[in-house]
Amino acid sequence: EAGVAQSPRYKIIEKRQSVAFWCNPISGHATLYWYQQILGQGPKLLIQFQNNGVVDDSQLPKDRFSAERLKGVDSTLKIQPAKLEDSAVYLCASSLDRVKDTEAFFGQGTRLTVV
Amino acid sequence: AQSVTQLGSHVSVSEGALVLLRCNYSSSVPPYLFWYVQYPNQGLQLLLKYTTGATLVKGINGFEAEFKKSETSFHLTKPSAHMSDAAEYFCAAKTSYDKVIFGPGTSLSVIP
Repeated sequence: EAGVAQSPRYKIIEKRQSVAFWCNPISGHATLYWYQQILGQGPKLLIQFQNNGVVDDSQLPKDRFSAERLKGVDSTLKIQPAKLEDSAVYLCASSLDRVKDTEAFFGQGTRLTVV
Repeated sequence: AQSVTQLGSHVSVSEGALVLLRCNYSSSVPPYLFWYVQYPNQGLQLLLKYTTGATLVKGINGFEAEFKKSETSFHLTKPSAHMSDAAEYFCAAKTSYDKVIFGPGTSLSVIP
């Protein structure tokens, strides 16, 4: 089966600019996650969707970050305006079912550099 | 709040030696537990997982982990390290609301 697809793989922007990342989860996976991974650290959950509804966005900096999952499939994560500290890898993951003991499957990530 | 800790941000072993990467979780209710591996410029790949049942879990590439409830631990081991095992390893826990949280990671180096 196809894995989690993310684009772009790399992005360089100047501070105060905006940027958007796209994720296509594995077909049929109801749960979708966006993580931020700063160099040398573990992934930090930004937002979790169940179908097209938000389950957890407690660690999403809502003044600059936004995410949506239209029709419960693809998702986009946007940053506007970007700050230097947003430089990180943004990982998208999906899992099959909210109540089962299934693991999350990860995409290859988008590496964002803010200069 | 649930948390995952990994003792040792960097571990070095000789090729052929035992690999031991430590993971502890904090939770009043044992969560589902996972070990992921990350190679440079790649996403995370699942090594193994513990859900219920047998506490010794075997995964890919010869890795295994043992869930010890009394110690709230889920340490990862491999009897004999290979050069290709050099990577970043993350322990993760999944809560009842499907939230997956990660430890800070351990970078494994294998010395020839």
